[in-house]
Amino acid sequence: GENVEQHPSTLSVQEGDSAVIKCTYSDSASNYFPWYKQELGKRPQLIIDIRSNVGEKKDQRIAVTLNKTAKHFSLHITETQPEDSAVYFCAASRVGGADGLTFGKGTHLIIQP
Amino acid sequence: GAVVSQHPSRVICKSGTSVKIECRSLDFQATTMFWYRQFPKQSLMLMATSNEGSKATYEQGVEKDKFLINHASLTLSTLTVTSAHPEDSSFYICSASEGVLPQHFGDGTRLSIL
Repeated sequence: GENVEQHPSTLSVQEGDSAVIKCTYSDSASNYFPWYKQELGKRPQLIIDIRSNVGEKKDQRIAVTLNKTAKHFSLHITETQPEDSAVYFCAASRVGGADGLTFGKGTHLIIQP
Repeated sequence: GAVVSQHPSRVICKSGTSVKIECRSLDFQATTMFWYRQFPKQSLMLMATSNEGSKATYEQGVEKDKFLINHASLTLSTLTVTSAHPEDSSFYICSASEGVLPQHFGDGTRLSIL
């Protein structure tokens, strides 16, 4: 089955700086890669996703890059703000909606004021 | 947008009790529903996948007789934790898909077994 590795487990950055979180996956059949933000005790919120037919996707301060050959994808957050502090999870699955998501272990992002 | 309602949000009960959690898609038909479990400070782990009208598919290591899943309609799936014990205490989250991505998550159920 799929295995998703995520690094780092904790990331502390100064407000206004950029944050990068990296994930690798093992199953070459995976072709859908979402990123979730989860606040304590709440459900994960989809912040951005990418499919394997594109290499990069951007939405305002958030971007995701995908390298299919190397089987890794990254989340980039620019101009970080205090409200960006949360736990971020990467995940992988196959397109079609019939497969469950395999999640990475999460990154606790701390934005220092 | 697509809304998934999950109830109850919090359950506290004694060891040996069976607990039922409901997951409803409010404004779309969910051909597939997923159940995840999240222990404190850990990631979400897929427990099972259910398709309307058929038996659920369980992930390796998840006891199907312990975690009963019913997906009787296109808008409702239930997870019953049978004879729950303290080690079953966790955050259970459902998600639903209408056959296309992304999945839509419910708000989760925090289960505490005393």
